[in-house]
Amino acid sequence: KQEVTQIPAALSVPEGENLVLNCSFTDSAIYNLQWFRQDPGKGLTSLLLIQSSQREQTSGRLNASLDKSSGRSTLYIAASQPGDSATYLCAVPNNAGNMLTFGGGTRLMVKP
Amino acid sequence: NAGVTQTPKFRVLKTGQSMTLLCAQDMNHEYMYWYRQDPGMGLRLIHYSVGEGTTAKGEVPDGYNVSRLKKQNFLLGLESAAPSQTSVYFCASSYFNAGSGAQPQHFGDGTRLSIL
Repeated sequence: KQEVTQIPAALSVPEGENLVLNCSFTDSAIYNLQWFRQDPGKGLTSLLLIQSSQREQTSGRLNASLDKSSGRSTLYIAASQPGDSATYLCAVPNNAGNMLTFGGGTRLMVKP
Repeated sequence: NAGVTQTPKFRVLKTGQSMTLLCAQDMNHEYMYWYRQDPGMGLRLIHYSVGEGTTAKGEVPDGYNVSRLKKQNFLLGLESAAPSQTSVYFCASSYFNAGSGAQPQHFGDGTRLSIL
């Protein structure tokens, strides 16, 4: 059974810092890996999806990398802003591609 | 730009009552999903559908039923509500590409359900 772990569970940084969120998974036979953002009281917003054949994806100040062989992904946030404060979740699909297994999330707070 | 819409947003039920949560998407997605999110347990898949008229069990299906009579709607039913079903319920939808797998899922804002 796929297990997804995110470390740290919570992170507090001053505005402007570059930071890295970590995601690890136990079964490396994945189609892709997705990173989501969840604001309090809201649903999830998809940030980046990395296909298994890719090593990284970039969107603005966000960069996600994928190392299938080691079962790891990182989300890099450059020049963090208070508006980045949210919970960030990673998720991987099963072999059929129709079920996602989520990590527990990293709760990020960026202080002004 | 409605995306995925869930109704109701909040609901309080008594143990044993029944109710239906409605999810509607306007993106013509084939796949739809129901999740529950609980503190310390993360997001867990209840049921999903790969197309109109189809449903399948997810990780935690017991106590719930679903129906997908129309492509744009996915209903989640609680037959006899129990306090253990107190949770935040999220609906999501996505395309599915046979070559590259599941595409990004689009989520609704959730339904907060309390069972007394």
